[in-house]
Amino acid sequence: AQTVTQSQPEMSVQEAETVTLSCTYDTSESNYYLFWYKQPPSRQMILVIRQEAYKQQNATENRFSVNFQKAAKSFSLKISDSQLGDTAMYFCAFPPRGRDDKIIFGKGTRLHILP
Amino acid sequence: NAGVTQTPKFQVLKTGQSMTLQCAQDMNHEYMSWYRQDPGMGLRLIHYSVGAGITDQGEVPNGYNVSRSTTEDFPLRLLSAAPSQTSVYFCASSPVGGRGAFFGQGTRLTVV
Repeated sequence: AQTVTQSQPEMSVQEAETVTLSCTYDTSESNYYLFWYKQPPSRQMILVIRQEAYKQQNATENRFSVNFQKAAKSFSLKISDSQLGDTAMYFCAFPPRGRDDKIIFGKGTRLHILP
Repeated sequence: NAGVTQTPKFQVLKTGQSMTLQCAQDMNHEYMSWYRQDPGMGLRLIHYSVGAGITDQGEVPNGYNVSRSTTEDFPLRLLSAAPSQTSVYFCASSPVGGRGAFFGQGTRLTVV
């Protein structure tokens, strides 16, 4: 079964700094997707970025990028030039692979961007 | 392009009342699920479904029922509301093996 671990319950950084959120996972699959979700104080769940395991190139969406290390089963999220609006909970997630699977979420990292 | 539509956004119930949270998606996703999120915590899976006519229990199923009569709809029923069910509820849908889970806006439920 897949597992997802986020080891940083809470982080704080100054505005404009770069911050990296960690996520490790375990799976026996060879091809899969991984995702990062953002949940701001409004509680909306927003898909930030996704990575396909067979793609060697790390995904990038504007100021958000991932460092995907397949052999190490690591999927960290880097936020560059952080902004106050980046303050949120961030969840790493695995989608369901088959009919008996579930979406697997990490426990989340609460990120505070300080002015 | 509606995505996942979840209603209502807010609800207050008295202990013992029943209600149904509605969830509908228009993306033809096989997989749908319900989560609850308590303050400062992550998402806990209540029930999920991998297709019409198929449902299964998650981590915290007690006090909740679901059904999946169509691909589009996945309602969550609270049978007899209790204060412990005060939470924010999210519905999500996803293609199996796929490219992302899409969430409804959430329902903030208070049981008094």
